[in-house]
Amino acid sequence: DQQVKQNSPSLSVQEGRISILNCDYTNSMFDYFLWYKKYPAEGPTFLISISSIKDKNEDGRFTVFLNKSAKHLSLHIVPSQPGDSAVYFCAAIESPNYQLIWGAGTKLIIKP
Amino acid sequence: GAGVSQSPRYKVAKRGQDVALRCDPISGHVSLFWYQQALGQGPEFLTYFQNEAQLDKSGLPSDRFFAERPEGSVSTLKIQRTQQEDSAVYLCASSPASNTEAFFGQGTRLTVV
Repeated sequence: DQQVKQNSPSLSVQEGRISILNCDYTNSMFDYFLWYKKYPAEGPTFLISISSIKDKNEDGRFTVFLNKSAKHLSLHIVPSQPGDSAVYFCAAIESPNYQLIWGAGTKLIIKP
Repeated sequence: GAGVSQSPRYKVAKRGQDVALRCDPISGHVSLFWYQQALGQGPEFLTYFQNEAQLDKSGLPSDRFFAERPEGSVSTLKIQRTQQEDSAVYLCASSPASNTEAFFGQGTRLTVV
């Protein structure tokens, strides 16, 4: 049973608009969430994270929102740029464990 | 470079062949992780080292899989008698500590034919 789910395999967004990537989880003990970005033939690159004691974390164009009651988090990218085209993975950790539990990823395509 | 380096980038193995995948973590990083990523899936945890100690190998799918990090830096993931279901990208990651963000290598794509 998947503990972290990204239900949209792909998403297409116009350049300059907002991209919203969603992630749902089932384990209420998760207390730290991360987003990774992956280009083809490269390893995942850390993007942004959020602790369960917060509901929002912002870093430049990237903002992650956490709704613990709904067990849902989302990554907002605004404005979207062509270089943002990649696969985005949501991952979660249950402290004190160190294993990242990953979603299946969402492929984001930014259209010029 | 200063990042995590994995070799080879691509490996084609005949079924039954043994393979060894190498990971050079970022210098000084205590924690090292191996993940397996099947096509269209997120990575799945295989094993975790803290320095030279293998603290968790619960994700290794069978006893054909073996990982080591003898000097607390370079790590090798060995797969014996490879089978077609072993075909995947094997990702290595390192981090300064167990609870900080991990830096990933480019992965080794293993294809068993």
